[in-house]
Amino acid sequence: QKEVEQDPGPLSVPEGAIVSLNCTYSNSAFQYFMWYRQYSRKGPELLMYTYSSGNKEDGRFTAQVDKSSKYISLFIRDSQPSDSATYLCAMKAPGANNLFFGTGTRLTVIP
Amino acid sequence: DAGVTQSPTHLIKTRGQQVTLRCSPKSGHDTVSWYQQALGQGPQFIFQYYEEEERQRGNFPDRFSGHQFPNYSSELNVNALLLGDSALYLCASSRWRTSSSGEQYFGPGTRLTVT
Repeated sequence: QKEVEQDPGPLSVPEGAIVSLNCTYSNSAFQYFMWYRQYSRKGPELLMYTYSSGNKEDGRFTAQVDKSSKYISLFIRDSQPSDSATYLCAMKAPGANNLFFGTGTRLTVIP
Repeated sequence: DAGVTQSPTHLIKTRGQQVTLRCSPKSGHDTVSWYQQALGQGPQFIFQYYEEEERQRGNFPDRFSGHQFPNYSSELNVNALLLGDSALYLCASSRWRTSSSGEQYFGPGTRLTVT
């Protein structure tokens, strides 16, 4: 079993839709959770960062962490064509320096 | 403020050859991590360097080695290249003193093709 599972999609939504992206994980030691956006043939860009459980909002983006269910989500409101990219979840345990990534979900927002 | 830079952008090598990839971290960062991203997959951790020492290593063979220089820049070396080494190689930089948070900033990557 992979440490981090993420539905690879692809996911296509109309412009203005609310997008929900999710990851599950198996390692209960993970405490730090991140979402990265990666455009085609580019490096990942850090979008959201959350420590432990709870919600965090930044503009149109909301990250949620439910440690009891080992489940994290990223919501994108009022999605735009420029949001079309691959979204990667990543997580880390305290004391470790490496990030564990999901496989990424490819999102297309149709104008 | 320059972000993370990597060179070269693309590279084509033949099986059995050796390759060196380079990374300069973001200004103010002193820690460099390397990741391998195969097509359609998430990045996988190779190793991390701080104070010119390898601090942590992922599940990669000894053919993968690295170095960090006093100016914090880093190199990734891969010997005896295999077809399966074809991937996007990503460098990520961070600050060691805040490394527990896991915030890492990635460069654009070097796309390596092994034929």
